[in-house]
Amino acid sequence: EPEVTQTPSHQVTQMGQEVILRCVPISNHLYFYWYRQILGQKVEFLVSFYNNEISEKSEIFDDQFSVERPDGSNFTLKIRSTKLEDSAMYFCASSELEGTGGSGANVLTFGAGSRLTVL
Amino acid sequence: AQKVTQAQTEISVVEKEDVTLDCVYETRDTTYYLFWYKQPPSGELVFLIRRNSFDEQNEISGRYSWNFQKSTSSFNFTITASQVVDSAVYFCALKSGSGNTPLVFGKGTRLSVIA
Repeated sequence: EPEVTQTPSHQVTQMGQEVILRCVPISNHLYFYWYRQILGQKVEFLVSFYNNEISEKSEIFDDQFSVERPDGSNFTLKIRSTKLEDSAMYFCASSELEGTGGSGANVLTFGAGSRLTVL
Repeated sequence: AQKVTQAQTEISVVEKEDVTLDCVYETRDTTYYLFWYKQPPSGELVFLIRRNSFDEQNEISGRYSWNFQKSTSSFNFTITASQVVDSAVYFCALKSGSGNTPLVFGKGTRLSVIA
């Protein structure tokens, strides 16, 4: 079964450092997402990406965050200068093109997550 | 605005009991999709089901069943004859209409099944 893969599975960093989280979405998916989950809390939307640009972003996704699709397979989330409150599990997800009507449309397939710990 | 409410924070049941996880949603859209995801202790989010707003048929998949009621804006999830492996956090989520709208999650219900 196709899956979304994320690296690293766990990263520990010092406050103020830059972090890049990497994701390989499912190959025929065209929509990409980042969500985060602070420990014990709900899963929160950060950003969605389509056609090489951001299509939606939440209030959480401030200037410290950026996303990129540097090549045909990777989708990255960069946090420029990490803060303690950035400690969370970050989930990448992808979905098929909207409106295909197929069973896969709109279903987000999530990766296993990257746990970020900021000290 | 989209909102998903899972009023049950934690539920504990004894193995083989049936358990229902509640989900109430809010949206102004007439076209929307409802989902349940499972998050086992290992942390990943596992898709369980998607239901669109025009299909109110209840669904059964093995020990899992879902009851979608538009009249009460609810999409409840029942596990029959629960097993220890069902222990996880279960999230209900809502995705509205067309376009690349975000999936909005509820706060989740932590289910503990005790042997």
